[in-house]
Amino acid sequence: SAVISQKPSRDICQRGTSLTIQCQVDSQVTMMFWYRQQPGQSLTLIATANQGSEATYESGFVIDKFPISRPNLTFSTLTVSNMSPEDSSIYLCSANLDTQYFGPGTRLTVL
Amino acid sequence: KQEVTQIPAALSVPEGENLVLNCSFTDSAIYNLQWFRQDPGKGLTSLLLIQSSQREQTSGRLNASLDKSSGRSTLYIAASQPGDSATYLCATKNNFNKFYFGSGTKLNVKP
Repeated sequence: SAVISQKPSRDICQRGTSLTIQCQVDSQVTMMFWYRQQPGQSLTLIATANQGSEATYESGFVIDKFPISRPNLTFSTLTVSNMSPEDSSIYLCSANLDTQYFGPGTRLTVL
Repeated sequence: KQEVTQIPAALSVPEGENLVLNCSFTDSAIYNLQWFRQDPGKGLTSLLLIQSSQREQTSGRLNASLDKSSGRSTLYIAASQPGDSATYLCATKNNFNKFYFGSGTKLNVKP
């Protein structure tokens, strides 16, 4: 099994600012994933982050808005840039080992 | 693109009742299907994983079935308990490690 932690667990931010979310896995994993869950909706994949290469973004998500770092096999960050109220969501990171594991999520509110 | 639908969106039952949650998907070319439980502030927990070649999986009071040809899966919960109250998500995974999530069924089990 694996344990995934995220920081911060929640934040309230002002419009136009940026927030970096950290994700730590207690095992080495090749691929890490970032999801967004908007209020009342299901999870949508933002991007896949492989260690040592550029992240792969899903349709509707761009690197300038959601830059991702993947410096090693246990850690990744997602930055939400130039935030607007529409970015208010829960952001979850995920990794696949024997099964898919998810972090507890970061609840972001943008005022 | 895979579309995953869950019915009902919400369900409230008295303790002890057996219940069925439904999941349907449009593309039968899946690698596996997974049922998750989501508790507020705790991320997602994997409940059952069914490989594409399997018909069902069981864990304790939970049984999940998969009918790939008709694009359906069900999650059966026996003898429901208040601790089962949560949102249940189903997700299909394709051969490229991408998950597609349903919007979930919010279950409330009343004591």
